Amino acid sequence: DGGITQSPKYLFRKEGQNVTLSCEQNLNHDAMYWYRQDPGQGLRLIYYSQIVNDFQKGDIAEGYSVSREKKESFPLTVTSAQKNPTAFYLCASSIPRTGNTIYFGEGSWLTVV
Amino acid sequence: AQSVTQLDSQVPVFEEAPVELRCNYSSSVSVYLFWYVQYPNQGLQLLLKYLSGSTLVKGINGFEAEFNKSQTSFHLRKPSVHISDTAEYFCAVSNPSGNTPLVFGKGTRLSVIA
Repeated sequence: DGGITQSPKYLFRKEGQNVTLSCEQNLNHDAMYWYRQDPGQGLRLIYYSQIVNDFQKGDIAEGYSVSREKKESFPLTVTSAQKNPTAFYLCASSIPRTGNTIYFGEGSWLTVV
Repeated sequence: AQSVTQLDSQVPVFEEAPVELRCNYSSSVSVYLFWYVQYPNQGLQLLLKYLSGSTLVKGINGFEAEFNKSQTSFHLRKPSVHISDTAEYFCAVSNPSGNTPLVFGKGTRLSVIA
């Protein structure tokens, strides 16, 4: 079945460590996104990419990095510079210019211990 | 810049009663509008969307929404809710160029009471 796969579902990180969240899609979508979700704050955009080898910062990019070497993959690295990384992270993808409807993965929980 | 305001953070409602979740948007250009639902510990699922045409949009699970340009609103309604509708609901807006990501509201938690 086509879809967006995020892994791992749950991840624990010690303070000072970098961690990478995986996102893979087989929908042949051009655009991919990373959102962060905190209780009561809705979804906030971290980074997005509309084409391979290109990406743009979202509203809360500080302390995060991404790469887009393949159309299907858009990994997110949470660096030690991110002051409050404990959150639920959502990856999504879309085909631009078709109403920009985006489709989401199941999410990854990151907890800093 | 576009923005979305969901007027209620929590909405409790009894089973089989009607419900309306309110959403207002701000934009200087024409818009596309969306409602998503999120069940606990899961990603978001598209409920319905307005791109053009009829202002009354029907979605999955018996939900519908009406686009009101003069009031810049896109309220979500269901005539009779079920326990299984308990979830968080997000309104989102984008522009027709498709070159910018969706902007989401902060969500409304719908709690259906037996």
